[in-house]
Amino acid sequence: AQSVTQLGSHVSVSEGALVLLRCNYSSSVPPYLFWYVQYPNQGLQLLLKYTSAATLVKGINGFEAEFKKSETSFHLTKPSAHMSDAAEYFCAVSDRGSARQLTFGSGTQLTVLP
Amino acid sequence: ETGVTQSPTHLIKTRGQQVTLRCSSQSGHNTVSWYQQALGQGPQFIFQYYREEENGRGNFPPRFSGLQFPNYSSELNVNALELDDSALYLCASSLGGDRYGYTFGSGTRLTVV
Repeated sequence: AQSVTQLGSHVSVSEGALVLLRCNYSSSVPPYLFWYVQYPNQGLQLLLKYTSAATLVKGINGFEAEFKKSETSFHLTKPSAHMSDAAEYFCAVSDRGSARQLTFGSGTQLTVLP
Repeated sequence: ETGVTQSPTHLIKTRGQQVTLRCSSQSGHNTVSWYQQALGQGPQFIFQYYREEENGRGNFPPRFSGLQFPNYSSELNVNALELDDSALYLCASSLGGDRYGYTFGSGTRLTVV
């Protein structure tokens, strides 16, 4: 079964600083990988996805992530944090069975300090 | 295009009762998945429906059941509610699975007392 580990349940950065949220997956076959963002009392919004094309994936709101097979990682970055980036971020990997369901990490709460 | 809509947004039920949650998938999406998100945790896969048939199931007991209708809308039914069923229930729709990504609704917050 797939699993996802997000290092750091809480990350704080200053406004304008680099955002780095870490995600490692366990899989013998490179899966599809996703980053979702969740604002309070809302559902999940897709930031970006990796589907076996370019290893550097650009998403919405200035976020990007790099797939590194050798490190089984898919870390999310943004060069300059905005106050509006404060939210919970989830990394997810899809199963290669018939349902292709998503297995999520436990999430990282990002706080942006003024 | 409309997104994924879920109803109701909030619900309070008593232990032992039954509940039905509803989801209208994004226009054209034929695959619907349901997830349970307990407080402070990531969503956990309950099951998926593709063209009205269950297409996969997570580690949830049979008292969690579902339906998908010809218009691809869906229901999640939970019988014999337990306190631990209190969670945010998320519906996600997709056109053909993970390659295209899943569009999530805003969820139904279920509280069991």
